[in-house]
Amino acid sequence: GAVVSQHPSWVICKSGTSVKIECRSLDFQATTMFWYRQFPKQSLMLMATSNEGSKATYEQGVEKDKFLINHASLTLSTLTVTSAHPEDSSFYICSATGQGYNSPLHFGNGTRLTVT
Amino acid sequence: AQSVAQPEDQVNVAEGNPLTVKCTYSVSGNPYLFWYVQYPNRGLQFLLKYITGDNLVKGSYGFEAEFNKSQTSFHLKKPSALVSDSALYFCAVRDKAGNNRKLIWGLGTSLAVNP
Repeated sequence: GAVVSQHPSWVICKSGTSVKIECRSLDFQATTMFWYRQFPKQSLMLMATSNEGSKATYEQGVEKDKFLINHASLTLSTLTVTSAHPEDSSFYICSATGQGYNSPLHFGNGTRLTVT
Repeated sequence: AQSVAQPEDQVNVAEGNPLTVKCTYSVSGNPYLFWYVQYPNRGLQFLLKYITGDNLVKGSYGFEAEFNKSQTSFHLKKPSALVSDSALYFCAVRDKAGNNRKLIWGLGTSLAVNP
């Protein structure tokens, strides 16, 4: 149980275009979803926290107009990278958790974004 | 401020030998601690957590971790390493500030198990 599906697993796009990444909880209701960015050989950098039905809370330094997050249902959150630039190339990972305060995070398999 | 430290960037161990991946933490109050594993180009997988109770916590794939309050440590252990255990391991602590559910992550330790 507790499967999180992230799609696509990899994407290549041209500079200036937008890319949408989907994160779905397949067998549980995800009240909270987190979006992370990971650089090579580095730890996870939390970008934002989203709760179903409310606006995402962005971490300091993360541009909310560039990284649009929507959490419209208890099973789906999306991250849209708008007007992508090569420096946005990275590994993006979503995670989801259920209602229990100490419920573990369940992660998607990540999306490798390459902006050319 | 709450923090997590993984003092070793890389750990090398021979297959069949015991392994330890170190983690120390700094929190106010009782800590909620987690270990996750990441295989190449994949998301993270939950291994185990400590919330309360027994100091020795058993998790997935034969891993266990020992909570030591006096040393503020939560080292990950396995009695006999497998080559397939080679991966990146992250220790994390719950950020209890503001009643949110964020995790504060260590920088990760790369485990290499040699055949």
